Amino acid sequence: ILNVEQSPQSLHVQEGDSTNFTCSFPSSNFYALHWYRWETAKSPEALFVMTLNGDEKKKGRISATLNTKEGYSYLYIKGSQPEDSATYLCAFASGGSYIPTFGRGTSLIVHP
Amino acid sequence: EPEVTQTPSHQVTQMGQEVILRCVPISNHLYFYWYRQILGQKVEFLVSFYNNEISEKSEIFDDQFSVERPDGSNFTLKIRSTKLEDSAMYFCASSLRDRNTEAFFGQGTRLTVV
Repeated sequence: ILNVEQSPQSLHVQEGDSTNFTCSFPSSNFYALHWYRWETAKSPEALFVMTLNGDEKKKGRISATLNTKEGYSYLYIKGSQPEDSATYLCAFASGGSYIPTFGRGTSLIVHP
Repeated sequence: EPEVTQTPSHQVTQMGQEVILRCVPISNHLYFYWYRQILGQKVEFLVSFYNNEISEKSEIFDDQFSVERPDGSNFTLKIRSTKLEDSAMYFCASSLRDRNTEAFFGQGTRLTVV
């Protein structure tokens, strides 16, 4: 069983704050790391798929970095807005399986 | 924008009954998945499907479960004899390729077994 951990479990920030959270995964046999954003009552929406150590990806105010050697990825949100409130899921895919394994998610609430 | 659609959005069934959850993946996608999330727990992989056969399945996906792509567009998950612990949100997803491409999720079917 692959261990994918996300921290913190939940996070409350004020509008305008920048924030970040972590996804930890096994450092061996890495293939890909996915980030998804999941708003209540909607389906998970893909943010990034990262495959290379040192990768940095950006979409608007959201960016992510990847360190496959130490087994972690950070997701950053710059200048959080209330509409950023969601659960952010990461999913790790190893070389031994086609299928990404999900973490439990970080629940972000941005207060106006 | 193309999307994955799931029906029904909510299904209530009695323990021991069979249920079929339906999904229409994005039309040019080749890989199809079912995941579930029991309330308060993490999203769990059930099964993946490629080229008209199961490519991978988890320990959760036992003989009570089956998947089909009967007509080239629908992708169904059947639970033969539901148990209380099958109550969960079931998500279908599809992707163009496999583990290094993004998966597109449907909005889920909430299954309640009573």
